[in-house]
Amino acid sequence: SQWGEENLQALSIQEGEDVTMNCSYKTYTTVVHWYRQDSGRGPALIILIRSNEREKRSGRLRATLDTSSQSSSLSITAAQCEDTAVYFCATDATNTGKLTFGDGTVLTVKP
Amino acid sequence: GGIITQTPKFLIGQEGQKLTLKCQQNFNHDTMYWYRQDSGKGLRLIYYSITENDLQKGDLSEGYDASREKKSSFSLTVTSAQKNEMAVFLCASSISGGSGNTLYFGEGSRLIVV
Repeated sequence: SQWGEENLQALSIQEGEDVTMNCSYKTYTTVVHWYRQDSGRGPALIILIRSNEREKRSGRLRATLDTSSQSSSLSITAAQCEDTAVYFCATDATNTGKLTFGDGTVLTVKP
Repeated sequence: GGIITQTPKFLIGQEGQKLTLKCQQNFNHDTMYWYRQDSGKGLRLIYYSITENDLQKGDLSEGYDASREKKSSFSLTVTSAQKNEMAVFLCASSISGGSGNTLYFGEGSRLIVV
């Protein structure tokens, strides 16, 4: 799970396995962004889920959002080596586009 | 599509020196951001700008100045570089400041203080 002052989390799985990353946030948000950062690159948005959605899918990605517990998850089905990256959740407490990022989860997918 | 270009990719300076990072975007986006990423940590907002000539402080603005003289460019100045602020600085832009808009990031500029 990631947030606030927590250290970076790390997960290591085998190719073909499913994986879920969790994110807890401290303040109300109408949207949770999930970004992926490859080594040496800037983060890139992979999926965005709004407060009126409980689940959102995009290819092998599935995001969930539980506003009552202020938590979100990102699942990857049948992970591949190219899914190896750092994954961040981010929220927008002020509805102004100012995102607050979690500390991230380092995902390593081994062949 | 567009691109965010950050220069320089590596910036080496001495402690106490004033150092400037530059960012250009060709998305024609209104809003631009500067984030700092320390090793093993998430991103923290330093400054953002809703439109040309606008500046808003983020959570980490102390020790930094920013300038948005043109819609396409946003610069960040470290007013007095310290060794404990060696980090990667990431510039981003979004179509506007509204919630739910995608942030597009550059590849980052690494600050090294000697």
